[in-house]
Amino acid sequence: GNSVTQMEGPVTLSEEAFLTINCTYTATGYPSLFWYVQYPGEGLQLLLKATKADDKGSNKGFEATYRKETTSFHLEKGSVQVSDSAVYFCALSDKGGTASKLTFGTGTRLQVTL
Amino acid sequence: DAGVTQSPTHLIKTRGQQVTLRCSPKSGHDTVSWYQQALGQGPQFIFQYYEEEERQRGNFPDRFSGHQFPNYSSELNVNALLLGDSALYLCASSFQGLNNQPQHFGDGTRLSIL
Repeated sequence: GNSVTQMEGPVTLSEEAFLTINCTYTATGYPSLFWYVQYPGEGLQLLLKATKADDKGSNKGFEATYRKETTSFHLEKGSVQVSDSAVYFCALSDKGGTASKLTFGTGTRLQVTL
Repeated sequence: DAGVTQSPTHLIKTRGQQVTLRCSPKSGHDTVSWYQQALGQGPQFIFQYYEEEERQRGNFPDRFSGHQFPNYSSELNVNALLLGDSALYLCASSFQGLNNQPQHFGDGTRLSIL
């Protein structure tokens, strides 16, 4: 079956530091890949997505590139802010990404300090 | 434009009881998926409803059941509650007719079993 593996947290960074959160996946076919963010007490918000190999998703300074050869979708940001502190989830969908079920990783907590 | 709304926000039950959680999808969406998020874990897919029928189901026992109404809203029912059912229950909506569009999540219902 499908699975997603994320680096364990928590990740603690100083403001303006570079962020990488690793994500690898196992799936049949050509899944769509997503990063969701969850702030305390809230649901999940879509951060970015990529639907085919070599696509780069980007939003709010975050980027991730769909690498089929390494089955990876690592999240990066060049300069984090305190407001980026949250839990980040990597996820995949195996049917074009719209109405198919999502398979999530266990999440990576990011804490950014001044 | 209202997003996905869930009710109630919090709920406390005791073992053996039954519970019903409710979800209204984002305007224009016709598909509702339910996820269970245990503390410190990623969301796990429970099931998905479209055209008032269960279309996909995750690895959850029959104690978990659902319903979708003609207005696309949905309910999640859990019978014979166990301590392990304590979790954040997330509802996500999407539109079947659009490929590669992400699911939109509500803020969840936090269920505590005593």
